[in-house]
Amino acid sequence: AQRVTQPEKLLSVFKGAPVELKCNYSYSGSPELFWYVQYSRQRLQLLLRHISRESIKGFTADLNKGETSFHLKKPFAQEEDSAMYYCALREDSSYKLIFGSGTRLLVRP
Amino acid sequence: GAGVSQSPRYKVTKRGQDVALRCDPISGHVSLYWYRQALGQGPEFLTYFNYEAQQDKSGLPNDRFSAERPEGSISTLTIQRTEQRDSAMYRCASSLNPRNTEAFFGQGTRLTVV
Repeated sequence: AQRVTQPEKLLSVFKGAPVELKCNYSYSGSPELFWYVQYSRQRLQLLLRHISRESIKGFTADLNKGETSFHLKKPFAQEEDSAMYYCALREDSSYKLIFGSGTRLLVRP
Repeated sequence: GAGVSQSPRYKVTKRGQDVALRCDPISGHVSLYWYRQALGQGPEFLTYFNYEAQQDKSGLPNDRFSAERPEGSISTLTIQRTEQRDSAMYRCASSLNPRNTEAFFGQGTRLTVV
């Protein structure tokens, strides 16, 4: 079975500190990995996907197939980064997303 | 519309009642998905439509749950004889096509069964 694991329910950091939100997955094929974000009272939205290999709002994530990880990183956290972050997997030739349980990031001033 | 629209935003219903949740996808989006999210969990797949065809309903938990998208646009998720365990956030998403395009989510419907 495919699984996405986000081990931290809550991650609290101070403004300006580095952030790493962990995501591990189990899948034997070639997955597509995503990070979704939900800011307070807003809808779930795509933050980035591994095939794009781009930086969004200062966040990056690298797919490590050896470690089956897709950790989300940002060198200097901002207060506006406070939100729920969900890692998601889509297996090849599929359409459905498999989400982790989410990590709440709290950036304190 | 500008985005995926779901209604109602909040629904409180008594056990045993039927509820219908509506999703209006982004115009022109072929693919439509329903997810359910319990408190403290991530969204879980329920069902998927390609145009009006329900391609996959493997995530529907039991036969009290059904969904339709008769004209390939608006979709309705119906829960019959609701139970307390049905309480959750129900999220709808749409995408231009099923592969390699971003899925856009609606605001969700928070269902509470009392």
